[in-house]
Amino acid sequence: DTAVSQTPKYLVTQMGNDKSIKCEQNLGHDTMYWYKQDSKKFLKIMFSYNNKELIINETVPNRFSPKSPDKAHLNLHINSLELGDSAVYFCASSHSQGAFEQYFGPGTRLTVT
Amino acid sequence: AQTVTQSQPEMSVQEAETVTLSCTYDTSENNYYLFWYKQPPSRQMILVIRQEAYKQQNATENRFSVNFQKAAKSFSLKISDSQLGDTAMYFCAFYRSSTGTASKLTFGTGTRLQVTL
Repeated sequence: DTAVSQTPKYLVTQMGNDKSIKCEQNLGHDTMYWYKQDSKKFLKIMFSYNNKELIINETVPNRFSPKSPDKAHLNLHINSLELGDSAVYFCASSHSQGAFEQYFGPGTRLTVT
Repeated sequence: AQTVTQSQPEMSVQEAETVTLSCTYDTSENNYYLFWYKQPPSRQMILVIRQEAYKQQNATENRFSVNFQKAAKSFSLKISDSQLGDTAMYFCAFYRSSTGTASKLTFGTGTRLQVTL
C-alpha cells in the first residue's frame, strides 16, 4: 500500500509546454508539501498546504501553481516550462500537530528539453 | 532563518564498521525537531531517525543513533555495523514546530555514503 504516490515518475517535455504532476496520500495527514531537488541534490520547499489552504509559498515563479482539491491530494501545475525547471519534484505529507515526520513520495523527474 | 550544514560531501565505510555523519544547524528557536533522511539510488526519501529538541536523550533506531548537542547545535548520525544497503545520500533536516501550524523542512546539502566490502 503506497503511502504517498506521485504521477508520473518521469516526465520529459519541451520548453514552453504546460505540465502537471499529481500527488496523493492515504496516511490521513492534513498537510502536504512540494519540494524541488536540483541537480546537486539540494532539496528546497516550494509550497505547503494545510487542510487545502496554502500556508507556505516560497520564492517560486508564478508559473508554478499548486492546487489542493482535498486534504489527500496536492497537484502541481507548471506553465511555460523552462530548461531550469528540470529537477526532481517530491511531494510529502505530515500531520500539522504532534508527530511532524514528513513522508515523501517517490519523486517525479522532470526533464525539459 | 534556519540553516543546516553538512560539512562532509562524501564518506566511505567498510561493511560492518561504524561511521558518523556530521550535521550542524543554526537557529534562534527553542522548540524544533531534527531528522535524518536517507536517499538511496532509488531516489526515495526515507526517514531514518528523529530527535525532539526538548529531549535530552539521544534517539536510537536499531543500528542508527544520533548525538544531539543542543548547546553546540550539533546533530550527528552514527551508523553501526554498516551494511551495503546503507549506501545512499543522507540528509540532515531541521523542522521548526509552531503550535497548530505545519512548517517546512530545511535540509542540509547531504552526505554521500558509500559502504564497501
